[in-house]
Amino acid sequence: AQKITQTQPGMFVQEKEAVTLDCTYDTSDPSYGLFWYKQPSSGEMIFLIYQGSYDQQNATEGRYSLNFQKARKSANLVISASQLGDSAMYFCAMSPPDFGNEKLTFGTGTRLTIIP
Amino acid sequence: DAGVIQSPRHEVTEMGQEVTLRCKPISGHNSLFWYRQTMMRGLELLIYFNNNVPIDDSGMPEDRFSAKMPNASFSTLKIQPSEPRDSAVYFCASSIKGQRLAGGDQETQYFGPGTRLLVL
Repeated sequence: AQKITQTQPGMFVQEKEAVTLDCTYDTSDPSYGLFWYKQPSSGEMIFLIYQGSYDQQNATEGRYSLNFQKARKSANLVISASQLGDSAMYFCAMSPPDFGNEKLTFGTGTRLTIIP
Repeated sequence: DAGVIQSPRHEVTEMGQEVTLRCKPISGHNSLFWYRQTMMRGLELLIYFNNNVPIDDSGMPEDRFSAKMPNASFSTLKIQPSEPRDSAVYFCASSIKGQRLAGGDQETQYFGPGTRLLVL
């Protein structure tokens, strides 16, 4: 079974600093997808970034990048130059090895608070 | 383009009443997912459809829950009768089921704004 672990329940970071949110995963299959979602206090789930297990380069989307270390089974989210609007819950998720089965496995989330 | 649309955004009902949640997926997406989020259990997948056909409903809590997808642009999640423990945020998400390609995010699930349900 797949498992996603987010070990940081909460983080406080000074505005404009870079942030790294940890995510480790457990799977024995070489083919999978990794996702990060942001959930602000308003409640919606916002897709941030995707990394495929076969992608040669780390994914980047604006200020977001995914530090993918396949051998360590980690997929940390890096937010550069943090902003007050980055304060939210962040969820790491994983898609299954069998692409015919589309269940995402979510971590428990990290609550990020940006301090002015 | 419009994202996933859910209605109602908020629902307050009394125990025993029927509740119907609605979802319109992103046009062109062929997979639709219903999730429930609570503080205690986090995000749980209830059921998902592919091409309007239910593929996996193993997450549906019990017979009080049912979901339908009569066409590619509409799905419902019904709770009958509702109970206080059903209080949660219910999300609908959609995606395109296709090949997992390097550098692509074809399988990304896009979420609706959620329906916040309170059963008294």
